[in-house]
Amino acid sequence: EIVLTQSPGTLSLSPGERATLSCRASQSVSSTYLAWYQQKPGQAPRLLIYGPSSRATGIPDRFSGSGSGTDFTLTISRLEPEDFAVYYCQQYISSPYTFGQGTKLEIK
Amino acid sequence: EVQLVESGGGLVQPGRSLRLSCVASGFTFNDYAMHWVRQAPGKGLEWVSAISWNSGSVDYAGSVKGRFTISRDNAKNSLYLQMNSLRPDDTAFYYCAKRGVAGTYFDYWGQGTLVTVSS
Repeated sequence: EIVLTQSPGTLSLSPGERATLSCRASQSVSSTYLAWYQQKPGQAPRLLIYGPSSRATGIPDRFSGSGSGTDFTLTISRLEPEDFAVYYCQQYISSPYTFGQGTKLEIK
Repeated sequence: EVQLVESGGGLVQPGRSLRLSCVASGFTFNDYAMHWVRQAPGKGLEWVSAISWNSGSVDYAGSVKGRFTISRDNAKNSLYLQMNSLRPDDTAFYYCAKRGVAGTYFDYWGQGTLVTVSS
């Protein structure tokens, strides 16, 4: 089973700042098989990024993904108030399709 | 518009069974594999099970293998999860999720249904 470790656990930033979230895999997931999700309280997760740099439908271009092998990054270029949420990475190179433990992005 | 609507959750005693349903609309259901993902209250996401477009292939997380059974009815645009021998650590929101076009990520999710296993 591939273990995904996200860092930091909590990130405190202000609107307008740049956010950088990390996801590290216990073994390679290639350059393709990594996705990112956003989850707000009381809501289902929403797909942001897959592949690992393709934005899902309707996702603004301030969200970007990068990385390959075992190290991946989600970047939010300029934080908007609605971006404060929990973010999860997920690998889909092999079953079981595991998620990271999440990074909480909170308003500073 | 893609919609996934789960139902069937509730309070159940340990050792008992429950069947979850998910009705899909807004896409060609029988073109896609479907999944169940769960989330214990206040915790992270855990993939549970998958079924191929034609039910020819199924897959389970180790934590539910032998207890849960995934199935689908393409004529009814419906996905199911039969959960037997439920345990307190099965308590979670259960989400129905659609496989993405380009891989086994989840591009659409239902709103979730809460299963609480407690005596």
